[in-house]
Amino acid sequence: GAGVSQSPSNKVTEKGKDVELRCDPISGHTALYWYRQSLGQGLEFLIYFQGNSAPDKSGLPSDRFSAERTGGSVSTLTIQRTQQEDSAVYLCASSLFVGETQYFGPGTRLLVL
Amino acid sequence: AQSVTQLDSQVPVFEEAPVELRCNYSSSVSVYLFWYVQYPNQGLQLLLKYLSGSTLVESINGFEAEFNKSQTSFHLRKPSVHISDTAEYFCAVSPNKGFQKLVFGTGTRLLVSP
Repeated sequence: GAGVSQSPSNKVTEKGKDVELRCDPISGHTALYWYRQSLGQGLEFLIYFQGNSAPDKSGLPSDRFSAERTGGSVSTLTIQRTQQEDSAVYLCASSLFVGETQYFGPGTRLLVL
Repeated sequence: AQSVTQLDSQVPVFEEAPVELRCNYSSSVSVYLFWYVQYPNQGLQLLLKYLSGSTLVESINGFEAEFNKSQTSFHLRKPSVHISDTAEYFCAVSPNKGFQKLVFGTGTRLLVSP
């Protein structure tokens, strides 16, 4: 595709519900990254994928967060039992290979009430 | 580990004036350096990057940044700003070997007024 796309663009949910955020990377990009942008924490790294595997999950804030990538393309970030502090913009990026320049999607704005 | 400091949270400037957005970093290894821009209600866009070679790098819309290794800085400059440059600017670093997780600064909001 022309760029990284993310869906939904906005998501409002109630505390305790599960949410799934989707990322479609640029076609042919093998590496995919998730970041979170929040008022209190700025931009922080969550997880990255090389192909379908996630060598570095160190940035995931808690075990409520998980991510998967299938077919070396689309990735889903799942947040279980959402909390109000999960409210943030979740950004996805992709690069041709790990180590190449990362290109970002428009983000998913998550609001947990 | 790497860290990035953007001391100015907000920089107000008049149209056609010059501007400098400051970025300092710390790292125990050699790094790549980036400036990303986020226009209102839009995603992050890569503005420019330093990977190697010439320490002065330029973007297509008139911004430039200079990598200064001794001062561990990568300040962003533009000699004459436009209203359309109003945005948030993020400096980021990554190690230049192995997995290159981007570490971002807290951002500087550039406000250009007529």
